[in-house]
Amino acid sequence: GEDVEQSLFLSVREGDSSVINCTYTDSSSTYLYWYKQEPGAGLQLLTYIFSNMDMKQDQRLTVLLNKKDKHLSLRIADTQTGDSAIYFCAERGMRFGAGTRLTVKP
Amino acid sequence: DAMVIQNPRYQVTQFGKPVTLSCSQTLNHNVMYWYQQKSSQAPKLLFHYYDKDFNNEADTPDNFQSRRPNTSFCFLDIRSPGLGDAAMYLCATSSDRGQEQYFGPGTRLTVT
Repeated sequence: GEDVEQSLFLSVREGDSSVINCTYTDSSSTYLYWYKQEPGAGLQLLTYIFSNMDMKQDQRLTVLLNKKDKHLSLRIADTQTGDSAIYFCAERGMRFGAGTRLTVKP
Repeated sequence: DAMVIQNPRYQVTQFGKPVTLSCSQTLNHNVMYWYQQKSSQAPKLLFHYYDKDFNNEADTPDNFQSRRPNTSFCFLDIRSPGLGDAAMYLCATSSDRGQEQYFGPGTRLTVT
């Protein structure tokens, strides 16, 4: 099985919050990352969290880390149509989940 | 602007005909990565260079090779492309292993 797992699809209404979840297996990961991929493009780093942190906030983005459960989440506040994309979590910077396709409906 | 550039953006090759994909970076990063991404799947790490040190993933087919002649450039060579090698190939860089990666736009490879 994959080292990093994500649910594949999420649909929200514009203005709502989106929460994308991820579980990982490598407890030695010092950093955990969230990337965004728009159609036909490469991946763009959104944010990251150091493994000794529980939470990191960056404007509309909030990352929560539960190290005990090896669970990572990305919350996007006030989701906009421009946030529609595929979101990947990654551990150790090199192992990616399958990606969560976020669809934002007007 | 510092960036990661991939050429070409689209590449069509014939079954069995060798093809080379190119990546260059202006970030002066030590690490360069090649990923294969198929539709609706996670990017799969093929190999990476830490400076001149080549690191192959255990499950990367021998058909895939790489060269890094200098800090700025890295090439992906597919010696005998099969239909199953059609994918998006992503190049990325990072200052060190495990650090955040900066991705190029990718090269979409079609095998006919």
